[in-house]
Amino acid sequence: GAGVSQSPRYKVAKRGQDVALRCDPISGHVSLFWYQQALGQGPEFLTYFQNEAQLDKSGLPSDRFFAERPEGSVSTLKIQRTQQEDSAVYLCASSLRTSRNTGELFFGEGSRLTVL
Amino acid sequence: EDQVTQSPEALRLQEGESSSLNCSYTVSGLRGLFWYRQDPGKGPEFLFTLYSAGEEKEKERLKATLTKKESFLHITAPKPEDSATYLCAVPPDGGSYIPTFGRGTSLIVHP
Repeated sequence: GAGVSQSPRYKVAKRGQDVALRCDPISGHVSLFWYQQALGQGPEFLTYFQNEAQLDKSGLPSDRFFAERPEGSVSTLKIQRTQQEDSAVYLCASSLRTSRNTGELFFGEGSRLTVL
Repeated sequence: EDQVTQSPEALRLQEGESSSLNCSYTVSGLRGLFWYRQDPGKGPEFLFTLYSAGEEKEKERLKATLTKKESFLHITAPKPEDSATYLCAVPPDGGSYIPTFGRGTSLIVHP
């Protein structure tokens, strides 16, 4: 498909387990963003990549959260030793331009993480 | 302090009953204000970008307007398929262009 693809769509983890969430952005999109969305809230920024460079990780809530985009395309968000408060939908978005602020991000459908 | 505040949190309308959603922002130097639509179980979908006070954008039954302190999303004669959560976002103060989102307004349009 032509859109942003995220997998898995749903993940149930036991507290303390590690999880990895994958994002496949639109081909050719330079910028990639990860957001966390709790139930009934707006998306909260986690981290931003331009190609393979992680330019902003100020939104990552703890050192248990780690993101990478090694070849400037697919990205993985990893959460170590999951906690119940990590339960949320994790949204990935990509955009074509970085130098012009159009505000147009293309979002995937998200990965819903439930930590028991 | 939240940089983007949306109101109301939820809105129920009858089909055809026009209304407006509000987004107020506190960033000192606005570098764009973005509206998105989010359907249940889906990611947000981009609607509009507004850059300066007085600017308006339209798409079907939706019209977005911008003042120096807030933006309105006007919905004219809504239909049930307009039911969704509408999110507003702005880049924060400083150099980043990464959108900071509000909590959204959940709109339900009854037939």
